[in-house]
Amino acid sequence: DAKTTQPTSMDCAEGRAANLPCNHSTISGNEYVYWYRQIHSQGPQYIIHGLKNNETNEMASLIITEDRKSSTLILPHATLRDTAVYYCIVQRDTGKLIFGQGTTLQVKP
Amino acid sequence: GAVVSQHPSWVICKSGTSVKIECRSLDFQATTMFWYRQFPKQSLMLMATSNEGSKATYEQGVEKDKFLINHASLTLSTLTVTSAHPEDSSFYICSARADRDEQFFGPGTRLTVL
Repeated sequence: DAKTTQPTSMDCAEGRAANLPCNHSTISGNEYVYWYRQIHSQGPQYIIHGLKNNETNEMASLIITEDRKSSTLILPHATLRDTAVYYCIVQRDTGKLIFGQGTTLQVKP
Repeated sequence: GAVVSQHPSWVICKSGTSVKIECRSLDFQATTMFWYRQFPKQSLMLMATSNEGSKATYEQGVEKDKFLINHASLTLSTLTVTSAHPEDSSFYICSARADRDEQFFGPGTRLTVL
């Protein structure tokens, strides 16, 4: 599975948009980009995923570059409850998720 | 989203005993379930993949005789940590997936071996 690179940590002001980048330069054509988050001592929560096109749901938007080598997760109006570790994962349709270290997002009042 | 439960949420056991952790998909049928382990301040590590009715596939370095996985139905998978030792103390998390859908994770089980 393709590896991903994410910043170790980020801060965001409450109410502002949080933009979390992810590099996946070795992604293959059949690999999806998934985003999960983990709040302390809980199981990961699915956020969004995509293959080529940008995606949006009630939680977030996923912007994938045209060459698919990077993507950005956007939380449009971050709240304190969005403080968590965010994982960008590239996987084939086998279902296996290989977690990296993720980005610790701290939303501040 | 779909709901996955785990039982127990935490367990303390003596060294040398076995512990069973259950993972259930409550409102969907999971063709595949996954087991992860997470040590403090570390990321999740995939231990094994289990498909209903077949033997689990273990990741490299995971002892299949120590971590017994049973996936007897489309809604239940169990992980048994046999002859547990203090180094097995960890946060064990399962996830469930229906066909080509996304994975949904359970809340995790905190295992402490004394």
